Amino acid sequence: SAVISQKPSRDICQRGTSLTIQCQVDSQVTMMFWYRQQPGQSLTLIATANQGSEATYESGFVIDKFPISRPNLTFSTLTVSNMSPEDSSIYLCSVRLQTLPGYTFGSGTRLTVV
Amino acid sequence: QKEVEQNSGPLSVPEGAIASLNCTYSDRGSQSFFWYRQYSGKSPELIMFIYSNGDKEDGRFTAQLNKASQYVSLLIRDSQPSDSATYLCASWVIKAAGNKLTFGGGTRVLVKP
Repeated sequence: SAVISQKPSRDICQRGTSLTIQCQVDSQVTMMFWYRQQPGQSLTLIATANQGSEATYESGFVIDKFPISRPNLTFSTLTVSNMSPEDSSIYLCSVRLQTLPGYTFGSGTRLTVV
Repeated sequence: QKEVEQNSGPLSVPEGAIASLNCTYSDRGSQSFFWYRQYSGKSPELIMFIYSNGDKEDGRFTAQLNKASQYVSLLIRDSQPSDSATYLCASWVIKAAGNKLTFGGGTRVLVKP
């Protein structure tokens, strides 16, 4: 079965800095999704990353804050820019695999901004 | 109104009993529904999916869907302490702007030995 690897698994960052999170899938996928899960909350979709086109952002999320790259069908990055403590969350990448229903999630990146 | 709503719980059930989780959704265009289990500190794991009205059983899990009532449920039979987790209900919608999986807030389940 396909594996999604996400890194870093966790990081502690200073406010005002940026962190880039990587997501690698071992099979080609059309769409990759980035979610945020704030402490004690459910998952909120940040954006959908399509290869060869601009990412599609959900209401409340903007490209300047969360730039996304999707250089090929197996890889994507999400950058959290100019971080503040409110950005402290778990960030998850997710894909829709042809062999499985629903979305499959990476292991997540636990971000703490101090 | 949230697109997908769940009771946050905690839902406390004794070991061996049936845990019943409920979920309602607002978008009648929702086509498929998924139940994910999330242990503390871990990423969500798919346990059930359903897209037709009625019941779908898989081992100790049964998903129920009623599109007329916009209602999805999950039953966990013979609950075990290892079932203690947060259960997330999600709806899948295909739209012109792009397909989207929307999650409810999750129901925390505690199975007591």
